[in-house]
Amino acid sequence: GAGVSQSPSNKVTEKGKDVELRCDPISGHTALYWYRQSLGQGLEFLIYFQGNSAPDKSGLPSDRFSAERTGGSVSTLTIQRTQQEDSAVYLCASSLQKNTEAFFGQGTRLTVV
Amino acid sequence: KNQVEQSPQSLIILEGKNCTLQCNYTVSPFSNLRWYKQDTGRGPVSLTIMTFSENTKSNGRYTATLDADTKQSSLHITASQLSDSASYICVVSAEGYQKVTFGTGTKLQVIP
Repeated sequence: GAGVSQSPSNKVTEKGKDVELRCDPISGHTALYWYRQSLGQGLEFLIYFQGNSAPDKSGLPSDRFSAERTGGSVSTLTIQRTQQEDSAVYLCASSLQKNTEAFFGQGTRLTVV
Repeated sequence: KNQVEQSPQSLIILEGKNCTLQCNYTVSPFSNLRWYKQDTGRGPVSLTIMTFSENTKSNGRYTATLDADTKQSSLHITASQLSDSASYICVVSAEGYQKVTFGTGTKLQVIP
């Protein structure tokens, strides 16, 4: 596609439920990043993929968070047993390779009630 | 600990005026520094990306500078427009796993 696509754009879920967020990067981009932006806070790095592997998972806030990338393309971020503090905008970005310009998706706004 | 600090936190300027936003970082080893513009409710959009050897880079009315010795960067906006109202985020990447550290941003409001 022309840009990074994320789905859903909005998600409201009950506390304790699992959610899955999807990111379609720009075709051909090998690097993919997930970030979280809480209300009134800065952007927080979650995880980085180079191809299908994630050399840096240190940003994931807890073991309830996991992410995978298949075929060097689509990535999913899964949050298990969601908590209210998980409410945030989850942004995905991709770049042709590391150290090149990263393009962001519009984000998924997650609300845990 | 890698940190990126931006100042000011917020800024209000009159349309047509210039302004300069600051970014100080402690990220090491340094790989690159990027400035992003984020409109409310939208994803960040890249303005510039600068590597160690670059001191100045311009993108239209936006000019970024980098001093790798003092670990400081600035974003200068010339002849501001109402559409420049947004948050401006400084992002610094470290060598290795491409982990990035974000500043908390400067919220700029341009008023007529």
